[in-house]
Amino acid sequence: GEDVEQSLFLSVREGDSSVINCTYTDSSSTYLYWYKQEPGAGLQLLTYIFSNMDMKQDQRLTVLLNKKDKHLSLRIADTQTGDSAIYFCAESEDNAGNMLTFGGGTRLMVKP
Amino acid sequence: DTAVSQTPKYLVTQMGNDKSIKCEQNLGHDTMYWYKQDSKKFLKIMFSYNNKELIINETVPNRFSPKSPDKAHLNLHINSLELGDSAVYFCASSRLSGRAPIFGPGTRLTVL
Repeated sequence: GEDVEQSLFLSVREGDSSVINCTYTDSSSTYLYWYKQEPGAGLQLLTYIFSNMDMKQDQRLTVLLNKKDKHLSLRIADTQTGDSAIYFCAESEDNAGNMLTFGGGTRLMVKP
Repeated sequence: DTAVSQTPKYLVTQMGNDKSIKCEQNLGHDTMYWYKQDSKKFLKIMFSYNNKELIINETVPNRFSPKSPDKAHLNLHINSLELGDSAVYFCASSRLSGRAPIFGPGTRLTVL
């Protein structure tokens, strides 16, 4: 079955860039997503990328996709303390009812 | 506000009881989902439903059943609750294909 892997933890200083990495196994993944979950809260969609794209930029967020290596990354520029949260990578296939397979989440801690 | 909403936010109940969690979306989406997040933050799809098709994750016990009175609602019924059912349950909705699911705030279920 599909598998999505993320490192568990990342710590950065305020103002630095954060890079959260994700690998997936399903070569028929059509869309790849990044969601943010703050403590006690739901999942907030940050951005998503179609599998025929290499890069997508949205303000402080940059998503890079290496389809050959099945590697997805999320870069957050000028990381702020409010960016502290768990970040989930997810993938879906177009013919699978748009159901998401999630990674285990990366807990980002931003130190002042 | 356009959103996905869930009630209740917290649900505490005894083993063996039957309970329901309600979900409503006013986004005009045609597909709704239920996800389960366990204590280690792992997220797993339980169901995907639109007016044509119900897709069930094969690992979900048949004590769990989704019920959709109309396109804007997908409620989750759970019979004979067990300790292992304690988790946060997220409802989500999207267009069937090609659009990122939007998540509700979650319902924290605790089974004693």
